Amino acid sequence: KAGVTQTPRYLIKTRGQQVTLSCSPISGHRSVSWYQQTPGQGLQFLFEYFSETQRNKGNFPGRFSGRQFSNSRSEMNVSTLELGDSALYLCASSRFRTGRLQDYTFGSGTRLTVV
Amino acid sequence: KQEVTQIPAALSVPEGENLVLNCSFTDSAIYNLQWFRQDPGKGLTSLLLIQSSQREQTSGRLNASLDKSSGRSTLYIAASQPGDSATYLCAVSYLQTQGGSEKLVFGKGTKLTVNP
Repeated sequence: KAGVTQTPRYLIKTRGQQVTLSCSPISGHRSVSWYQQTPGQGLQFLFEYFSETQRNKGNFPGRFSGRQFSNSRSEMNVSTLELGDSALYLCASSRFRTGRLQDYTFGSGTRLTVV
Repeated sequence: KQEVTQIPAALSVPEGENLVLNCSFTDSAIYNLQWFRQDPGKGLTSLLLIQSSQREQTSGRLNASLDKSSGRSTLYIAASQPGDSATYLCAVSYLQTQGGSEKLVFGKGTKLTVNP
């Protein structure tokens, strides 16, 4: 079966620009979570969506936003990019929202470089 | 604050050796604990998932244990192979009261190198 698909794989942007990353979950998965991975901070939770609603949000500034569409695909947007936003952005999908055994499947990530 | 710590940060062993990776977490009210593998430039692959009511899980040469009361988990890898070289991440999940969703908190990982 197809896995979690993240596009693009690599991205180079300039400070001050904005960027949109895309994540297509496994078919039938309705929960999508986003994470930022940097060498210094490791993996940090950004937000989670289920059925087009944001269910939880991590401690990131308002420049980081996201949304989920009716087909469960999700996008995250970062506005006014800063050098510190350079990271690997990972998306994970799971079948259930909560109350069940969660088994996350991760995508390969989008490597964002801000110059 | 919910934190996950993994020790050691890096480990280099000869092929065939049995090894243990450690994970500790500050908040013991976890929902699940997962061990992941990450290859360079790649995403995460789930290795083992332990529910909070379980004590251990096994898959092939991998065995993960969980001691909630002490806030610790270990990943045991038997008869290591060069193909096991990767970064191993431990993640604990917590149920959020607001929204009822599940949040994963990750350690920074242990980078394992198995030398032929």
